[in-house]
Order: sequence, then structure tokens, then C-alpha cells
Amino acid sequence: EVQLVESGGGLVQPGRSLRLSCAASGFTFDDYAMHWVRQAPGKGLEWVSGISWNSGSIGYADSVKGRFTISRDNAKNSLYLQMNSLRAEDTALYYCAKELVQGVIAYWFDPWGQGTLVTVSS
Amino acid sequence: DIQMTQSPSSLSASVGDRVTITCRASQSISSYLNWYQQKPGKAPKLLIYAASSLQSGVPSRFSGSGSGTDFTLTISSLQPEDFATYYCQQSYSTPSITFGQGTRLEIK
Repeated sequence: EVQLVESGGGLVQPGRSLRLSCAASGFTFDDYAMHWVRQAPGKGLEWVSGISWNSGSIGYADSVKGRFTISRDNAKNSLYLQMNSLRAEDTALYYCAKELVQGVIAYWFDPWGQGTLVTVSS
Repeated sequence: DIQMTQSPSSLSASVGDRVTITCRASQSISSYLNWYQQKPGKAPKLLIYAASSLQSGVPSRFSGSGSGTDFTLTISSLQPEDFATYYCQQSYSTPSITFGQGTRLEIK
């Protein structure tokens, strides 16, 4: 069974940094692209960033470009999101999501983890 | 960015009803349209990808159709477990992926 477990969320002051992690199991991690998608409290979904299986292709939403960095460690079956210069509008539940099909980036997110909550507030 | 607009924003229906949710893109996205279901306190779940392909394990009462700018998600006979929020998502304009605002399906 595929499992994605996010961690690293918490309360952080504006302008500070936070690093999220996603531990993957139940599939061959280095065969699949991975993504981060967030959801502000009571709001809809927003794709944040994605990374190909070999880290050769990386993309970001305009809202986080230049502030967030996605990375992965295939030896550790882990995905990361380094978030710098955090703003109040970054407050959200951050989900890690696996690409549906191996080897490609189709932006078909399946499955998703349960999320880790990031709250940016002074 | 491509804007995705869902209608209605909320919907009340009864078990056994046939329900249709519409998603409209601000420009043509071919068939690069996906549907997700999210239940309260849970992560979203992929239902339909590439406009009409049913994800493995998803009941056949769910179906998707459309191309270009107009798409629909249809539930042929609502079951109690289908009451949730549904989101469409375009995967045409990468990496500027966008979701619709969601349609909340409630019990009448």
C-alpha cells in the first residue's frame, strides 16, 4: 500500500523558514514524480511545486517561486519542501502527492498524504 | 494562468439522484482535465484523469466527459459516501496547474 507521511509543519513567524518532509513507502519512489499541493483553511487547492523522478525537471507556482525549493532524496524515499521568507498567505495544509504514472509528469495526483499544517503568524 | 470555474458552487441532492457538476476553462485545455473528491478532514482523491479516464478503484457510477473548455463530472446514482467536495484541475498549462474553486455536494 502506498503511504505518504508529511511532517515538519508548525507555527512560524513571517519572514522565517520551515522545511517540510514527506516519507514515502509502498512503491518504487525513484520511478515517480512527486508534488506539493496546499490548501488554505476552508479554501480550495493550490499546486505548489513538482519534481521529476530524477530531479531533472522542477516547477513552481508563481506564488512561491524564488522562496520555496523542492528536492528529493531517492535513497531515503523522501520529498522535501524548503520554505523561506514565509508570509501569512502561505498558511495552509501542505499535502505531498505522488504522480499517478511512473516516469512522467502528468500532474495527475494520486494518492495524497494527510498533510502537514503550516501557520505563518506573529 | 488558466482559470477554472465550477458550477454550481454547492448542490443539494438525494441518494439515488443523478448529479452533474460542470467545469469551464478560460481557454482550451484539450482533454487535460482531472477531477478529485475531498471529504471533510481528508486528503483529496483522484477520480477521473484526462477528462474521461476512471481511476482504478473508483466506482463506475462516476464518469467524466468534455474537451476544449467545457467538462462535466457525472454521478449516475448518488450514494451516501459521495457527499463531498469535488474539484476540477487543469493539467494543460504546465507548470501553472490550476484547480476549480470546488463544488460542495450536500445531502438534501
